Amino acid sequence: EIVLTQSPGTLSLSPGERATLSCRASQSISRNSLAWFQQKPGQTPRLLIYGASSRATGIPDRFSGSGSGTDFTLTISRLEPEDFAVYYCQQYGRAPDTFGQGTKLEIK
Amino acid sequence: EVQLVESGGGLVQPGGSLRLSCAASGFTFTSYWMSWVRQAPGKGLEWVANIKKDGREKNYVDSVKGRFTISRDNAKNSLYLQMDSLRVEDTAVYYCAPEELSWGQGTLVTVSS
Repeated sequence: EIVLTQSPGTLSLSPGERATLSCRASQSISRNSLAWFQQKPGQTPRLLIYGASSRATGIPDRFSGSGSGTDFTLTISRLEPEDFAVYYCQQYGRAPDTFGQGTKLEIK
Repeated sequence: EVQLVESGGGLVQPGGSLRLSCAASGFTFTSYWMSWVRQAPGKGLEWVANIKKDGREKNYVDSVKGRFTISRDNAKNSLYLQMDSLRVEDTAVYYCAPEELSWGQGTLVTVSS
């Protein structure tokens, strides 16, 4: 099983700042099959990025994904108030699919 | 627009069974691997099972192997999860999740005596 480790566990930033979230895999992820999700309290997880760097439909361009192999990054270029949430990475390149433990992005 | 509507959740006693369904529309169902993902109250996301586009390959997380069965009916654009021998620790919101697409709203399964 591929273990995904997200860091930091909590990130405290202010609106307008840049956020950088990390997802590290215990093994190389094939075909860059890595997705990022955003989840707000009481809501369904929202797909942001798939294939490591492709934005999902309707996702603002301030969200970007990068990386390959075992190291992946989600960057939010300028934080908006609605971006404060929990973020999860998921690998779907090798069964069983797995999720990271999440990064909570909170307002400083 | 991708739409996924899960149903079949509810309250069940330990050892009982439930069958979850997911009705899909707005995308070519037969072109996507489909998964079930769950989230226990206050916890993170846990992948449960997936099924290949043609239904010929299925994978499960270890904790549900032998108890849960995933299936799909491509003629009906539907995904299913048969859950038997349910345990308290199976309590969660279950999401229908196509690979690389948005998810449904989920259905709550509560296992309790």
